[in-house]
Amino acid sequence: DTGVSQNPRHKITKRGQNVTFRCDPISEHNRLYWYRQTLGQGPEFLTYFQNEAQLEKSRLLSDRFSAERPKGSFSTLEIQRTEQGDSAMYLCASSLGGFSTGELFFGEGSRLTVL
Amino acid sequence: KNQVEQSPQSLIILEGKNCTLQCNYTVSPFSNLRWYKQDTGRGPVSLTIMTFSENTKSNGRYTATLDADTKQSSLHITASQLSDSASYICVVSVNNAGNMLTFGGGTRLMVKP
Repeated sequence: DTGVSQNPRHKITKRGQNVTFRCDPISEHNRLYWYRQTLGQGPEFLTYFQNEAQLEKSRLLSDRFSAERPKGSFSTLEIQRTEQGDSAMYLCASSLGGFSTGELFFGEGSRLTVL
Repeated sequence: KNQVEQSPQSLIILEGKNCTLQCNYTVSPFSNLRWYKQDTGRGPVSLTIMTFSENTKSNGRYTATLDADTKQSSLHITASQLSDSASYICVVSVNNAGNMLTFGGGTRLMVKP
């Protein structure tokens, strides 16, 4: 399968623990995005990378959140000291080029439940 | 402020019937508008992308329309099937902005037998 891959698909953790999600984009895509989605809402932008450079971060991305994309390939999103409000679906997407031309492909998401 | 409003929030129809979902936006400058289908617990999947100059675009039983003057779009589903049950999300792109996609809250469609 050559689509966007996310792992793990589901994560249940206790408040205060750290969690890390991984995203493998479509191989030739230079842009990678992280979104957060809560039930019944549309996705909210968190951050995006062009190759290995993190070009923008949302205000939603508090200092407990960090994202990396070493070597411009896969990306990780780490949440430290998780809180119950972090419970959501974390979606990764990738594209070739910007939104004026590039189709955006989403992964299946990583659902986080913080107890 | 860039906003995308979708209506209705939820909709129930019988299998085989048609339906139309609405999307109004205030995004400027406009680049393109996308409709995504999202099954419960899955990632969104693209249905259509429409640029400023396109008025209508079809993808099988899905037909999207765009009126850039009134800043409205619709997604028409013909002869609905049970598998059409999902959330449909309207997404508008701002011209030449690196990350700027504005997502609507989605319309949750349920198709009943």
